[in-house]
Amino acid sequence: SQKIEQNSEALNIQEGKTATLTCNYTNYSPAYLQWYRQDPGRGPVFLLLIRENEKEKRKERLKVTFDTTLKQSLFHITASQPADSATYLCALRGGYQKVTFGTGTKLQVIP
Amino acid sequence: SQTIHQWPATLVQPVGSPLSLECTVEGTSNPNLYWYRQAAGRGLQLLFYSVGIGQISSEVPQNLSASRPQDRQFILSSKKLLLSDSGFYLCAWSVPGVINEQFFGPGTRLTVL
Repeated sequence: SQKIEQNSEALNIQEGKTATLTCNYTNYSPAYLQWYRQDPGRGPVFLLLIRENEKEKRKERLKVTFDTTLKQSLFHITASQPADSATYLCALRGGYQKVTFGTGTKLQVIP
Repeated sequence: SQTIHQWPATLVQPVGSPLSLECTVEGTSNPNLYWYRQAAGRGLQLLFYSVGIGQISSEVPQNLSASRPQDRQFILSSKKLLLSDSGFYLCAWSVPGVINEQFFGPGTRLTVL
């Protein structure tokens, strides 16, 4: 069956360091992968999309890599700030006109 | 610009009572529409999606139903709520096409007692 796995344990990181979150998937052949941010009590907000023919994508302090051989995406936040504390979700195309989300990884940036 | 509205923001309902949650989108036409549920500490579970008026696809068997009476209106309903229906309900929309970044509403927190 199809699975999207994100580290369910919270990631605690010191302010200023680089946070790296992992998304692994099985039994998908995604054309693209998305990352979202979700704050408590709010809906997810889209951050980045990376296509299968792209190895890396950057947006300000964010960087996403996509390895279709390893079936893995890494999400990096450089120079992390307390305001980056949130849950980060990865999502894959799960069928016609829809995406399937991972369970998310909670990031806590400690001042 | 596009906006998405959901109401109510919070709801407390007794077991066995009916439910109606509404979602509307402004500033776009013929969007794909989605209902998700997020239980406490869990991931997003896709409940229903719609690619057009009257076209509803159900992802998970349950006592919920969805309707799309107008192009930019999506309604989630239940005739009789269960305790397990408690959760955070999110409506989302996307532009039809192969690559569909989703835009989420503010959500409805439903507690069934």
